Amino acid sequence: DVKVTQSSRYLVKRTGEKVFLECVQDMDHENMFWYRQDPGLGLRLIYFSYDVKMKEKGDIPEGYSVSREKKERFSLILESASTNQTSMYLCASSPQGQETQYFGPGTRLLVL
Amino acid sequence: AQSVTQPDIHITVSEGASLELRCNYSYGATPYLFWYVQSPGQGLQLLLKYFSGDTLVQGIKGFEAEFKRSQSSFNLRKPSVHWSDAAEYFCAVGPLGYNKLIFGAGTRLAVHP
Repeated sequence: DVKVTQSSRYLVKRTGEKVFLECVQDMDHENMFWYRQDPGLGLRLIYFSYDVKMKEKGDIPEGYSVSREKKERFSLILESASTNQTSMYLCASSPQGQETQYFGPGTRLLVL
Repeated sequence: AQSVTQPDIHITVSEGASLELRCNYSYGATPYLFWYVQSPGQGLQLLLKYFSGDTLVQGIKGFEAEFKRSQSSFNLRKPSVHWSDAAEYFCAVGPLGYNKLIFGAGTRLAVHP
């Protein structure tokens, strides 16, 4: 069965903190994605990775970075959290050559 | 430019009634189309997808969707809604390279008993 896990379901951080969101998939998928979800805006792509150590910017990369040192793990980093980064963050993965994406349960981040 | 429009932000139906959620897309070639569902506090689950072939696609939980190229639409339907169908529904189109998808803004479905 397809499994994507995210390290935290809920997270509260303070402005200026460095925040790490972790995503792990156990399906040996090549592609991994980070989205943020905000009411009325749907899902917006922050970054994606198509291989280990390979990453590409999505539509809204400002204020974020990513790391993919191992195939199964894709980390999203907020270098200095700000209140406008309060959101739901969703991780997804897909195998090479297939467009279907499989999602984790999401991390709801509150930045105070 | 590629885009997905879900014209209805909120829809309320009575339990047992039929449902149709609208999705319109803009894409330069033959699209791959998806419907996902998100239950409260959860991630997205794939309901169904269209890649090619029969334009009427069956999915899980009794949902179906019809691809209409002439109308650039991929509407989701269910003949009889259950209270457990209350959720947010997202339409998506791709591929955009590296399996990227574009998602619509979502339609939130409420079900009255």
